[in-house]
Amino acid sequence: NAGVTQTPKFRILKIGQSMTLQCTQDMNHNYMYWYRQDPGMGLKLIYYSVGAGITDKGEVPNGYNVSRSTTEDFPLRLELAAPSQTSVYFCASSYFRPGLAGGDTQYFGPGTRLTVL
Amino acid sequence: GESVGLHLPTLSVQEGDNSIINCAYSNSASDYFIWYKQESGKGPQFIIDIRSNMDKRQGQRVTVLLNKTVKHLSLQIAATQPGDSAVYFCAENIRNTGNQFYFGTGTSLTVIP
Repeated sequence: NAGVTQTPKFRILKIGQSMTLQCTQDMNHNYMYWYRQDPGMGLKLIYYSVGAGITDKGEVPNGYNVSRSTTEDFPLRLELAAPSQTSVYFCASSYFRPGLAGGDTQYFGPGTRLTVL
Repeated sequence: GESVGLHLPTLSVQEGDNSIINCAYSNSASDYFIWYKQESGKGPQFIIDIRSNMDKRQGQRVTVLLNKTVKHLSLQIAATQPGDSAVYFCAENIRNTGNQFYFGTGTSLTVIP
């Protein structure tokens, strides 16, 4: 299994541009998550999905959109990029909600480093 | 968001010593906690978790202690090794809030050979 894969690894955007961050998992996990991590800070949840066709907002959803058309893929869309969206973005997945099944965990991808200039 | 904070932003220990990383939380409804390890340039990696109905949980070389009275948890790493150098995060889940996990800012652990 490749686990959770993210593309691209790095990206520089100009203010107002749009892009999609790709996330794919091959573990048949139901739950998928998008986090952002600002320098020296912890992770903040942007959006999550409990299964194909179902998405919900996390703590910091403004400026982002997601879709979950398949179990494997959970792309994150940035519309009208702003400097405040400069961050490292992590995708994660889990079979159940972490903690529900006793020891199940979130598996994280390697991250996408995004800079908006 | 919830307040999940760490007492010390950096920690340096000698190889072979024990490390203790602390985390405070503010919501008494927090019922599940996870410790993550994040190495430079990588995503967080699960270390150990604990539910609020437990005070202590042990893994391989790691122990998590939960003190609900003072809303504090700690991660103890025994016989710290150079490979333990990383940033460590605690994350909490609050009862009945579904899938929201709130992360602390992290403690950077440096192991001195």
